[in-house]
Amino acid sequence: DAKTTQPPSMDCAEGRAANLPCNHSTISGNEYVYWYRQIHSQGPQYIIHGLKNNETNEMASLIITEDRKSSTLILPHATLRDTAVYYCIVRAPNTDKLIFGTGTRLQVFP
Amino acid sequence: EAGVTQFPSHSVIEKGQTVTLRCDPISGHDNLYWYRRVMGKEIKFLLHFVKESKQDESGMPNNRFLAERTGGTYSTLKVQPAELEDSGVYFCASSQERLGSGNTIYFGEGSWLTVV
Repeated sequence: DAKTTQPPSMDCAEGRAANLPCNHSTISGNEYVYWYRQIHSQGPQYIIHGLKNNETNEMASLIITEDRKSSTLILPHATLRDTAVYYCIVRAPNTDKLIFGTGTRLQVFP
Repeated sequence: EAGVTQFPSHSVIEKGQTVTLRCDPISGHDNLYWYRRVMGKEIKFLLHFVKESKQDESGMPNNRFLAERTGGTYSTLKVQPAELEDSGVYFCASSQERLGSGNTIYFGEGSWLTVV
C-alpha cells in the first residue's frame, strides 16, 4: 500500500504560516492526497485534498510537486486552535481505504 | 445538516461482555466506513459499506467483530466477546460517492471503548 511520511512534530508561531510537508513517493498516478487533522480527541476533520494541481480552500492550501512524490499543506495564518495532529493520507489503490500514518503534531504557540 | 453521529461516545465494559456501537451517516451518504485506533497504533480501516452491502471488510480483525447496515441507513458494530486489546476509539465515516473520483469522507467524533 502507498504510504506517507511526515515529520513527527512541528512548531509554529501564532499568525505565521504553518507549512507541513509530506512525502508520498510511492503514490500511484491517479491517487489523491488527502489531508485531515485531529484536534485533541475529536474525530479526524477533513481539510483539503488534491491530485496534481495546487488546491486552496477556506482552511488551507495544498501544494503538490510536479512529480507528485511530495506535498505541503499550508495554513496561511496559524491560530492556537490549529494545534492538532495533521495527517497526510493516500488511498490504497483500487479500494476505498484511506491509509493513515502517524501524522505531524503541530503546536501553535502565542 | 447533521454530520456523522456515533453512539455511545464512551463505553466501559468487562472482558467477555458484548458492546454494540452505532453510527448514523450523513443523510444521503451511501458509503459508510468503520475505522479504529487502538492504543499506540495508527488509525486503521475496518470495513466499508455501500448501502447495505459490505464492499470491503478486509480490515476486520477477527470474527468477534460484526458490522451490519440493515436498510442501508445506520450501521452497528458489535464486539462479542470483547477483549482487552479491543480498547480504543472507533470512528465511523461516510461519503456520498466512492473515493476513486477524489471524493471526501467525513468522520464522526468516535466511540471510545475501554475493556477492563
